[in-house]
Amino acid sequence: KQEVTQIPAALSVPEGENLVLNCSFTDSAIYNLQWFRQDPGKGLTSLLLIQSSQREQTSGRLNASLDKSSGRSTLYIAASQPGDSATYLCAVSTGNQFYFGTGTSLTVIP
Amino acid sequence: GAGVSQSPRYKVAKRGQDVALRCDPISGHVSLFWYQQALGQGPEFLTYFQNEAQLDKSGLPSDRFFAERPEGSVSTLKIQRTQQEDSAVYLCASSLWGWENTEAFFGQGTRLTVV
Repeated sequence: KQEVTQIPAALSVPEGENLVLNCSFTDSAIYNLQWFRQDPGKGLTSLLLIQSSQREQTSGRLNASLDKSSGRSTLYIAASQPGDSATYLCAVSTGNQFYFGTGTSLTVIP
Repeated sequence: GAGVSQSPRYKVAKRGQDVALRCDPISGHVSLFWYQQALGQGPEFLTYFQNEAQLDKSGLPSDRFFAERPEGSVSTLKIQRTQQEDSAVYLCASSLWGWENTEAFFGQGTRLTVV
């Protein structure tokens, strides 16, 4: 069974810092990897989708990379803002379902 | 619609009661997924539909859980004889085609509390 791990579990940074969130998965036979944001009591908001054939995707201040062979992905957030505070989840698709990590809880301090 | 819509947003059920949770996917989306998210955890897969066909129900935790999507659009997740361990947020997601290369969009979820 696919196992997805996210490190760190929690992260607190001052406003303006660049930061990296990590995601690792055990089975490299994935179709794609998706990063989501979840605010307290809310659903998931899609941030970036990386196809299995791609190495990275960018959207604004966000950049996600994928190294399928090593089972790793990173989400880079540039110039963090207090509004970025949320839980960030990565999910890999290996068939009829997505497997999720337990998330990284990010707090950006003004 | 503009996004995935779930109702109700909150549901409190007495233990033993049956509940039905509704999901309206994005119009035209072929694939629909249900997930269960316990507090502090990542979402766990429950079941997957492609149009009206339920292709995977391997994540349903017991035979008290039942999902349907009779016309290939709206889906209902039904939980019979609810137990306290069923308390969680139930998330629905849809994607345009299959799971391979298309983005999944999630609803706001239904928070179920069994008392």
